[in-house]
Amino acid sequence: QMQLVESGGGVVQPGRSLRLSCAASGFTFSNYGMHWVRQAPGKGLEWMAIISYDTSEKYYADSVKGRFTISRDNSKNTLYLQMNSLRPEDTAMYYCAKDSGSGYSYEDYWGQGTLVTVSS
Amino acid sequence: DIQMTQSPSTLSASVGDRVTITCRASQSINRWLAWYQQKPGKAPKLLIYKTSSLESGVPSRFSGSGSGTEFTLTISSLQPDDFATYYCQHYSSTTPTFGQGTKLEIE
Repeated sequence: QMQLVESGGGVVQPGRSLRLSCAASGFTFSNYGMHWVRQAPGKGLEWMAIISYDTSEKYYADSVKGRFTISRDNSKNTLYLQMNSLRPEDTAMYYCAKDSGSGYSYEDYWGQGTLVTVSS
Repeated sequence: DIQMTQSPSTLSASVGDRVTITCRASQSINRWLAWYQQKPGKAPKLLIYKTSSLESGVPSRFSGSGSGTEFTLTISSLQPDDFATYYCQHYSSTTPTFGQGTKLEIE
């Protein structure tokens, strides 16, 4: 059974850093691209980043480019999101999601999310 | 980036109604469009991909159509479980974007 479990969220002060993790199981992780998508409280979905199956390509939304870094460790079946210089507007539920292919397609399976709150 | 605009933002309907949600892209996305359903406190769930392909396990009352810049999601006969928020998303580039969402409420 496919599973994505995010962790690493919490309360962090503005300007600080946080690293999110997403543990994958139930499918061949190394064959698929992976996404991060976030949702601010009461707001819509915002796509943030994608990494190809082999880490060769990464793309970001303009809102996080230069501050956030997506990475993966295929030997550990884990996706990461390093978030630096956090701002209050980064407060959101962060979801990892599996791409339907090797990358640059739609998300066909989502984790349950981890909540990040940026506040002093 | 390609902008996606959904209408309406909120839709009130009753069980058994046929409803349609529209999604417009700021430029052509061919048929690279997906639809998701999200219930409060839950992760989004894929309903439809490539404009009209139904994800496995999704009821056949859901259907999608369109091409280029205009797309629709239709629910042929609303069921109580369908009251949720729906999002479209293009994936025609390396930076996909979502529409702002349509909340489907019980009338």
